[in-house]
Amino acid sequence: GAGVSQSPSNKVTEKGKDVELRCDPISGHTALYWYRQSLGQGLEFLIYFQGNSAPDKSGLPSDRFSAERTGGSVSTLTIQRTQQEDSAVYLCASSLALPGQGTSPLHFGNGTRLTVT
Amino acid sequence: KQEVTQIPAALSVPEGENLVLNCSFTDSAIYNLQWFRQDPGKGLTSLLLIQSSQREQTSGRLNASLDKSSGRSTLYIAASQPGDSATYLCAVSGTDKLIFGTGTRLQVFP
Repeated sequence: GAGVSQSPSNKVTEKGKDVELRCDPISGHTALYWYRQSLGQGLEFLIYFQGNSAPDKSGLPSDRFSAERTGGSVSTLTIQRTQQEDSAVYLCASSLALPGQGTSPLHFGNGTRLTVT
Repeated sequence: KQEVTQIPAALSVPEGENLVLNCSFTDSAIYNLQWFRQDPGKGLTSLLLIQSSQREQTSGRLNASLDKSSGRSTLYIAASQPGDSATYLCAVSGTDKLIFGTGTRLQVFP
């Protein structure tokens, strides 16, 4: 596709369940980011992947959160034992390179709205 | 730790007005600054990217300036239209990730 694709667009889950959020970046983009946007808050960095390098997981809020990127393309963000405070919009973005490596803007998907009941 | 602040948090103006949105950041060691637009229920759309060595960038009715030494950027919107209504976010980057402000919610009424 032409843009970053995220699925599902909406997810309602019960507290304690595990969820998987998917991101399909723009073809050829080596950098992939996950951000979280809570109601009335700014975007909170979670994790990024760049090529074959080890991901920067410094923004993951707890060990219940994990992410992987298979084959340098599709990424999955997994939240285990979901809590109500995990409710937010999870945004994925990709770019041709990291900011320090070039001037490629960040392209965002429409996000997954997660509601934990 | 980099912190990004946007003022005002919300703005409501009549159609046709020129307006300025402000963004400030605490650490001037940035690689670039980007302005984004976010429509309700949507992701972010990149509007302008200013490299740290640049002073401004223009796209149509939008002009963004950067004063890295003072930690400030402004987004100027000329002749505003109702279709400009959205939340505008600025983000600064180090070598790898972007740090976002909380945005300015703009409403342009006819």
